[in-house]
Amino acid sequence: GQQLNQSPQSMFIQEGEDVSMNCTSSSIFNTWLWYKQDPGEGPVLLIALYKAGELTSNGRLTAQFGITRKDSFLNISASIPSDVGIYFCAGPNFGNEKLTFGTGTRLTIIP
Amino acid sequence: NAGVMQNPRHLVRRRGQEARLRCSPMKGHSHVYWYRQLPEEGLKFMVYLQKENIIDESGMPKERFSAEFPKEGPSILRIQQVVRGDSAAYFCASSPTGGAEAFFGQGTRLTVV
Repeated sequence: GQQLNQSPQSMFIQEGEDVSMNCTSSSIFNTWLWYKQDPGEGPVLLIALYKAGELTSNGRLTAQFGITRKDSFLNISASIPSDVGIYFCAGPNFGNEKLTFGTGTRLTIIP
Repeated sequence: NAGVMQNPRHLVRRRGQEARLRCSPMKGHSHVYWYRQLPEEGLKFMVYLQKENIIDESGMPKERFSAEFPKEGPSILRIQQVVRGDSAAYFCASSPTGGAEAFFGQGTRLTVV
């Protein structure tokens, strides 16, 4: 089946730093989604990407849909404490919108 | 507009008991998905339902698990004769059209003791 690998697995940064993470797939996706999950909560959709090469922003978050359609990137600028959590990429199976989720990137902010 | 509502938030069951997890989708959403998340892992698809129909249950274990989404009322994920390995967080998501942008509930955390 399809697999989504995220890197890094975890990040420890200081408040104010910029963050970059990526997601790679063994197969092509036509849509990329980025979710954030806080402890004890469900995933919340941050950004949706629909076209290869597309660059989309949501406040301090920017995500890109890779040209090969096998990868995507998420950047967070000037991190703040509420950015702490686990970030998942996800993509729908073509023709059936069940989502395959990535392995997650855990973001921790060091005081 | 209330979000996806799941209840209970936490459920403790002894081995061999039944667990029933409920999901009320967002208003106007007729597509429901169930996912399972083990600790420190991503979410894994279980089943996709539209009103009264199971569209895709390829992620459901073959035994003990069932799901329904009746014409009236919430979607139910039912686990019979629970075992320790069923302990996980179960998330429901809904969408209006079956598109990729699904909205998730807060989940039900099942603990089997």
